Amino acid sequence: GAGVSQSPSNKVTEKGKDVELRCDPISGHTALYWYRQSLGQGLEFLIYFQGNSAPDKSGLPSDRFSAERTGGSVSTLTIQRTQQEDSAVYLCASSLRQGAWTEAFFGQGTRLTVV
Amino acid sequence: AQKITQTQPGMFVQEKEAVTLDCTYDTSDPSYGLFWYKQPSSGEMIFLIYQGSYDQQNATEGRYSLNFQKARKSANLVISASQLGDSAMYFCAMREVNNNDMRFGAGTRLTVKP
Repeated sequence: GAGVSQSPSNKVTEKGKDVELRCDPISGHTALYWYRQSLGQGLEFLIYFQGNSAPDKSGLPSDRFSAERTGGSVSTLTIQRTQQEDSAVYLCASSLRQGAWTEAFFGQGTRLTVV
Repeated sequence: AQKITQTQPGMFVQEKEAVTLDCTYDTSDPSYGLFWYKQPSSGEMIFLIYQGSYDQQNATEGRYSLNFQKARKSANLVISASQLGDSAMYFCAMREVNNNDMRFGAGTRLTVKP
């Protein structure tokens, strides 16, 4: 596709429910990132995928959060038993290849509201 | 672990003037890249400029330039001739060759006054 695509753009869920957030990276991009941004705050790193390597999960805040990337392309971030503090914008980004030299392109984000 | 610090939560600048947004970083990896992103109120993240750790010259992209001082581990963004549309959050980020996850600073909110 032309850019990183995230769905849904908005999600309202009840506390305790599970949610799945989807990210379609730019075609051919091997690196994929998930970030969380609370209102007015910076980007909190969650997880990083690079090709077929084991993901870097060091940013996941709790075991309620998990992510997978199928076939080296689409990624799904799952939040189980959602809490009100999970309310935030979840941003996905991808970059062309491994290495420090390439910028990451961001999707528009999924705004998650837990009520 | 890599760390990015942006010490200015908010900055104001008069239209048409230049402004410098500060960023310092900490890494033990000699190979890394530094990035600046703009996030307007719409929420999208817009890539502005990149500097590699081995680049000899400061990066420039139009009205944006990066004041890279490697020994001081600083990578300040300079915006010349500020425009009202430059009002936004600005984030500094770094990625190391040996640890490719990209980490961001807390951001600086820039407001351009007419």
